[in-house]
Amino acid sequence: DAGVTQSPTHLIKTRGQQVTLRCSPKSGHDTVSWYQQALGQGPQFIFQYYEEEERQRGNFPDRFSGHQFPNYSSELNVNALLLGDSALYLCASSLAGPPSGNTIYFGEGSWLTVV
Amino acid sequence: QKEVEQDPGPLSVPEGAIVSLNCTYSNSAFQYFMWYRQYSRKGPELLMYTYSSGNKEDGRFTAQVDKSSKYISLFIRDSQPSDSATYLCAMSPRGTGNQFYFGTGTSLTVIP
Repeated sequence: DAGVTQSPTHLIKTRGQQVTLRCSPKSGHDTVSWYQQALGQGPQFIFQYYEEEERQRGNFPDRFSGHQFPNYSSELNVNALLLGDSALYLCASSLAGPPSGNTIYFGEGSWLTVV
Repeated sequence: QKEVEQDPGPLSVPEGAIVSLNCTYSNSAFQYFMWYRQYSRKGPELLMYTYSSGNKEDGRFTAQVDKSSKYISLFIRDSQPSDSATYLCAMSPRGTGNQFYFGTGTSLTVIP
């Protein structure tokens, strides 16, 4: 049973550039959430996608956008990169519906360094 | 005030010790409580998942939730060097349909 997979694992970008990160959810899961984890901090919620629509959004600027495809995979796009965007970007998948016994599972993350 | 407060440590204990990790929170709407373990430069791994108040045990791990005090704990018995990691608490009002709120994580080192 494949878990949550993310790509790329590491990347370096220059300020002002754009980046796209990709995520395939755990088999059977239909909901994808993205989190940003700065060094020494806990993950911060960026947004969640379900049925190809953004269902909820955290306190992140519009430079952060996303997409969910019919196969439930997802992309996170960040435009006009800032040095402060350097972080571990985590994809979490879950199954919509009754929450009992249901929680989120994380991928290994994509390390983004902005120079 | 942050939604979730967690002492970042670091915490260092000898092998075999009982470890207690804690988080407090301010939002009384939180009903779902999780503990994740994160090794260096890796994604968080789910350890325990609890709904509402009470205790839950899984092997060497016990999670406790006290909603009246807005306080959750994770106990690790017979700690092992392989338990050395950062432990993150997380919580949510209504489960997976909502964002999860995380603590900053507690760094734990178990010394052989």
